[in-house]
Amino acid sequence: GQQVMQIPQYQHVQEGEDFTTYCNSSTTLSNIQWYKQRPGGHPVFLIQLVKSGEVKKQKRLTFQFGEAKKNSSLHITATQTTDVGTYFCAGTRRGSQGNLIFGKGTKLSVKP
Amino acid sequence: NAGVTQTPKFRILKIGQSMTLQCTQDMNHNYMYWYRQDPGMGLKLIYYSVGAGITDKGEVPNGYNVSRSTTEDFPLRLELAAPSQTSVYFCASSYPSLGRPAYEQYFGPGTRLTVT
Repeated sequence: GQQVMQIPQYQHVQEGEDFTTYCNSSTTLSNIQWYKQRPGGHPVFLIQLVKSGEVKKQKRLTFQFGEAKKNSSLHITATQTTDVGTYFCAGTRRGSQGNLIFGKGTKLSVKP
Repeated sequence: NAGVTQTPKFRILKIGQSMTLQCTQDMNHNYMYWYRQDPGMGLKLIYYSVGAGITDKGEVPNGYNVSRSTTEDFPLRLELAAPSQTSVYFCASSYPSLGRPAYEQYFGPGTRLTVT
């Protein structure tokens, strides 16, 4: 079946360092969403990308959707301890009912 | 608005027991979903519903059943619980509309289930 692969699985950074997580799909996606899950919490929607080559920014977070709509990335500039959590990408396959296929997530820890 | 609520928060079941996980949303969303999340893994779709009276299987439906008699409620039933069903269960809702991409999903706080 379709898979959405996400790397790295874990990332440990010093506060102030940058962080990037990458998401790759085996097939073309209709759109991609990003979620953040704090430890012990539930996933919370961050953003949705729809257009080929789209780039969106939210303060220190930059999200990109690849030209072929098969990959995406999330980049955090100058991480803070509040960025700690697991970041998931989730894609919707073209022609599907809109169900999301989640990557396994990247767990970010930030050392003060 | 309370958003998506789930009960119970925690539950320990013995092998072979049954239980229902409750999920309610007050946002009038027509789409609802049940996911399970195993440690270090992403979310896997168990069942989903596109509206009252309509349900369909997701990626991992075996051992579970659902019903959707109202827009607000989407209970998940576990029959004959097995240790493999130990997981965190999340309910979510969204409001896609025809011709548009999937909308963001709103998640409930989750139910942590242990089967021993």
